[in-house]
Amino acid sequence: DAKTTQPPSMDCAEGRAANLPCNHSTISGNEYVYWYRQIHSQGPQYIIHGLKNNETNEMASLIITEDRKSSTLILPHATLRDTAVYYCIVRGNTGRRALTFGSGTRLQVQP
Amino acid sequence: DAGITQSPRHKVTETGTPVTLRCHQTENHRYMYWYRQDPGHGLRLIHYSYGVKDTDKGEVSDGYSVSRSKTEDFLLTLESATSSQTSVYFCAISEGQGNTIYFGEGSWLTVV
Repeated sequence: DAKTTQPPSMDCAEGRAANLPCNHSTISGNEYVYWYRQIHSQGPQYIIHGLKNNETNEMASLIITEDRKSSTLILPHATLRDTAVYYCIVRGNTGRRALTFGSGTRLQVQP
Repeated sequence: DAGITQSPRHKVTETGTPVTLRCHQTENHRYMYWYRQDPGHGLRLIHYSYGVKDTDKGEVSDGYSVSRSKTEDFLLTLESATSSQTSVYFCAISEGQGNTIYFGEGSWLTVV
């Protein structure tokens, strides 16, 4: 699976949009971009995933560049409860593929 | 929340003793995974299963064994626990090989 690069930490003001970038320049055509987050020491929580089109659900939006080499997770109105470590993961959809976690981005939402 | 139950949630054990962690799912998903997470690190895959009696190793499998005799249960065993196996252990499940993976709440293991 392709490797991802994320900033180690980011701050965001409560109520503002949080934009978390991820670089995956070696992604291949059949690999999806997944986002998870981990709040404190809880189990990782699935947020969203996409292949090449932008995706939106009740939690977030995922914007993938046209060349698919990078993506941005957007939390439209960040709250204090969104403070967490966010993981961007690239994963193929064939084979017995688990998720390979990097170090993620620690998002701190400030009041 | 995905129907995943891990037990025990917290355990303290002595070096050299055997320990078994259980992951139970109610989703009838085919794939199950065991990860560990250490301070300052992301999750690392220990073992996974792609069906009853079908298992394979992950990146940090040394010192661990697994068994899956029923679809709903995936057991992780430390045959002889060591202090380096003090960690938080997460179970995960997915319906199929390309489907979204969902995680349990974790089991905190301390080996003294």
